[in-house]
Amino acid sequence: GENVEQHPSTLSVQEGDSAVIKCTYSDSASNYFPWYKQELGKRPQLIIDIRSNVGEKKDQRIAVTLNKTAKHFSLHITETQPEDSAVYFCAAIKVPGSARQLTFGSGTQLTVLP
Amino acid sequence: DADVTQTPRNRITKTGKRIMLECSQTKGHDRMYWYRQDPGLGLRLIYYSFDVKDINKGEISDGYSVSRQAQAKFSLSLESAIPNQTALYFCATSGTTGQPQHFGDGTRLSIL
Repeated sequence: GENVEQHPSTLSVQEGDSAVIKCTYSDSASNYFPWYKQELGKRPQLIIDIRSNVGEKKDQRIAVTLNKTAKHFSLHITETQPEDSAVYFCAAIKVPGSARQLTFGSGTQLTVLP
Repeated sequence: DADVTQTPRNRITKTGKRIMLECSQTKGHDRMYWYRQDPGLGLRLIYYSFDVKDINKGEISDGYSVSRQAQAKFSLSLESAIPNQTALYFCATSGTTGQPQHFGDGTRLSIL
């Protein structure tokens, strides 16, 4: 089955700096990669996703890049703000396919220091 | 707004008790999931269901059971709770594989 590793587990940045979180996956057939943000005490929420037919996707201050050859994808947050502080999860799955559920990474606790 | 609702939000109980966590959704999604979240371990899948007659074990199903009473309702049971089942539990739904999952607000369960 799929295995997703996420690094780092904790990340602290100064407000205004950039943050990068990286995930690697094991199944080269995986083709859908969502990212979820979980603020303290709240539910995980999708912030951006990417499919394997594109190498990069942007939405304002966040972007995700995908390197299919190396089997890794990364979340980039620019001009970080205190409200970016949260736990971020990556995930991977092949669709359509025999896998029936997302495989999540173990999460990254991002702290944006004022 | 269409949403995913979990009850209760918090529960404290004793070892050996039977506990049921409930999840209902108004999103009209066929697929429902139960996850467990522990610090440093991310989201681990307990059970998932693609329709009322389709229920599947996830990564950590031992000690848990589920019931899909209707398209909109998916319950998680701990038949005889033990302290290491203390965790934050999330229900989620999705339309189809490859569509985003939508999470409930979670149930914080403490077993003494």
